[in-house]
Amino acid sequence: QKEVEQDPGPLSVPEGAIVSLNCTYSNSAFQYFMWYRQYSRKGPELLMYTYSSGNKEDGRFTAQVDKSSKYISLFIRDSQPSDSATYLCAMSAEGGSEKLVFGKGMKLTVNP
Amino acid sequence: SAVISQKPSRDICQRGTSLTIQCQVDSQVTMMFWYRQQPGQSLTLIATANQGSEATYESGFVIDKFPISRPNLTFSTLTVSNMSPEDSSIYLCSAAVSTDTQYFGPGTRLTVL
Repeated sequence: QKEVEQDPGPLSVPEGAIVSLNCTYSNSAFQYFMWYRQYSRKGPELLMYTYSSGNKEDGRFTAQVDKSSKYISLFIRDSQPSDSATYLCAMSAEGGSEKLVFGKGMKLTVNP
Repeated sequence: SAVISQKPSRDICQRGTSLTIQCQVDSQVTMMFWYRQQPGQSLTLIATANQGSEATYESGFVIDKFPISRPNLTFSTLTVSNMSPEDSSIYLCSAAVSTDTQYFGPGTRLTVL
């Protein structure tokens, strides 16, 4: 079993839809959870990070962590064509000072 | 956040040659990392670039193949040595600007013929 599992998609939605992206993990030591957005031929851009369980909201984006289920989610409200990208989940036990373990990434297309 | 730049942005190289990739951060950082991103695969850590000491390599990666330098707190290089087509990939550096997470450079797209 891989440490982090993420459905690679692809996922295609109409503009304005609510998008739900998810990852599961097996390592109970993970405490820091991140979502990166990667546009084609660009480096990953940090979207949000969360420490331990709970929700975090930033504009149209909400990150959720359920440590009891080892499950994290990213919700995108009112999705826009500019949200079309690959979304990568990443996590670590000790934050940014150590190795991040990534999912494979989900390719999202938002159609106008 | 931080601005991280990499050079070159892309290159096409011949089998058996070596390429050195540079990574520059616009602020001093304690931790810098090198990752590889292969098509259809997760981003995978190659090594942690330690300032003033040898890099720490992940399982499956060795210093002879991927020598790393970290001369100061803002700069690191990764060399891909004796390249083969299997080394064709995107190579990314990252920096721990805060204790919580890492920021990434734009990547170097390497093709080995």
